[in-house]
Amino acid sequence: KQEVTQIPAALSVPEGENLVLNCSFTDSAIYNLQWFRQDPGKGLTSLLLIQSSQREQTSGRLNASLDKSSGRSTLYIAASQPGDSATYLCSQTGTASKLTFGTGTRLQVTL
Amino acid sequence: GAGVSQTPSNKVTEKGKYVELRCDPISGHTALYWYRQSLGQGPEFLIYFQGTGAADDSGLPNDRFFAVRPEGSVSTLKIQRTERGDSAVYLCASSLGQGTYNEQFFGPGTRLTVL
Repeated sequence: KQEVTQIPAALSVPEGENLVLNCSFTDSAIYNLQWFRQDPGKGLTSLLLIQSSQREQTSGRLNASLDKSSGRSTLYIAASQPGDSATYLCSQTGTASKLTFGTGTRLQVTL
Repeated sequence: GAGVSQTPSNKVTEKGKYVELRCDPISGHTALYWYRQSLGQGPEFLIYFQGTGAADDSGLPNDRFFAVRPEGSVSTLKIQRTERGDSAVYLCASSLGQGTYNEQFFGPGTRLTVL
């Protein structure tokens, strides 16, 4: 059974700090690793998708890496802002096209 | 439309009732997915359609849950004899085509509350 674990479950940082969110997965037959953002009471917004042949993707202040051999991905957020406060979900796509999600990291960026 | 849409946004029903949840995927997307998200958890897969057919329904929890996509576009998730444990946010996603490399785009979800 595919499992995705995210650490930490919650994180609070002051504005301006750089931070790293961690994701680990058990299925080595990974196709995609996708990071999402979810605001309270809202749906999921895709942030970055890394295909299995890639090692990282970048978008603005966000950088996501993928290490298939260790079963890990990290999401790096530079110069955090209060507007970054949300829950960040990591997901992997296995052989059946469906996404398996972690339970998320709830991020709060304080002024 | 510009993105995946879901209706209703909120649904409150009584235990034992029947409910239907609707998903309109992004135009041209042939793959459609349903997920369920309980409070404090990540979404869990329910069912995946490629065109009109259910390619994988292994996530449906029991036979009270059923989904259709008769014309390969709009999909309806149907829940019979609702139970309080069915309360969750039901998310729909679509992707451009079949295959595991296609990015999934999510709708805003339907929050179902069973009293």
